[in-house]
Amino acid sequence: NAGVTQTPKFQVLKTGQSMTLQCAQDMNHEYMSWYRQDPGMGLRLIHYSVGAGITDQGEVPNGYNVSRSTTEDFPLRLLSAAPSQTSVYFCASSYGPTGPVTYEQYFGPGTRLTVT
Amino acid sequence: LAKTTQPISMDSYEGQEVNITCSHNNIATNDYITWYQQFPSQGPRFIIQGYKTKVTNEVASLFIPADRKSSTLSLPRVSLSDTAVYYCLVVPFNAGNMLTFGGGTRLMVKP
Repeated sequence: NAGVTQTPKFQVLKTGQSMTLQCAQDMNHEYMSWYRQDPGMGLRLIHYSVGAGITDQGEVPNGYNVSRSTTEDFPLRLLSAAPSQTSVYFCASSYGPTGPVTYEQYFGPGTRLTVT
Repeated sequence: LAKTTQPISMDSYEGQEVNITCSHNNIATNDYITWYQQFPSQGPRFIIQGYKTKVTNEVASLFIPADRKSSTLSLPRVSLSDTAVYYCLVVPFNAGNMLTFGGGTRLMVKP
C-alpha cells in the first residue's frame, strides 16, 4: 500500500492564483482531513470528510474548498491564494465509525506552499 | 474540548528513559488520550492511545492516573532518531477525524 499520497511536494503561487492540492489514500478509509501547519506551530484542521459526498469545515476553512467524490481522493482547492496561506499542508485519513476505536490518523508527506 | 498543557521542550541523552507529561484537567468521561510524533519535514505519526491505567506498545508506554487529569508518555532508552515533536491530544469519543493539535513538546536527544 502507498498509504496517503500528496502532490505536489512543493508549490509557489502568486497572490490571487488558484490551485488544487491533491490527496489520495489506498487504505479504504472513510475519514479524510486536511490540516495546515505554520512554522513552529501545531496542526490546524481546515476541512474534513466522513465519507464520499460528505464534507465539513474545521477550525480554519476560509479560503479553501474541498470535495469528496470518491473514497480515495480528497482534493483541497485554494480559491485565491494569499500570503497568509503560506504553510505546509497535510492530508490524513483514518478508519470510520465501523472501524476500531482508534484515533490513529495516517498522514501524507505534506505539500509546502509559498504564496508571494 | 479539553485543553492540554505540555512542556515546550525537553533535552535528553541517548540511552535514557524520557517521560513527557501532559496536563488535561478538564478531560471528559468519554475522552481518549492520544500521542503523536512528528519528525522534521514529515507528517505526524500516531504513537499510542489510552483511556486509563497503562498502555504499552513496541514504541512507548502511556501512564494515566485514576483521575485522568494528566498522562505521561514514556520512551525507553531513547536514541538520536527519537528527536522529534511529541503531541498530546485529548480526543472526544465521537470526534471522528477532528483532531486538535497543540504546540507539542520538542524533544532533543543528544549523543
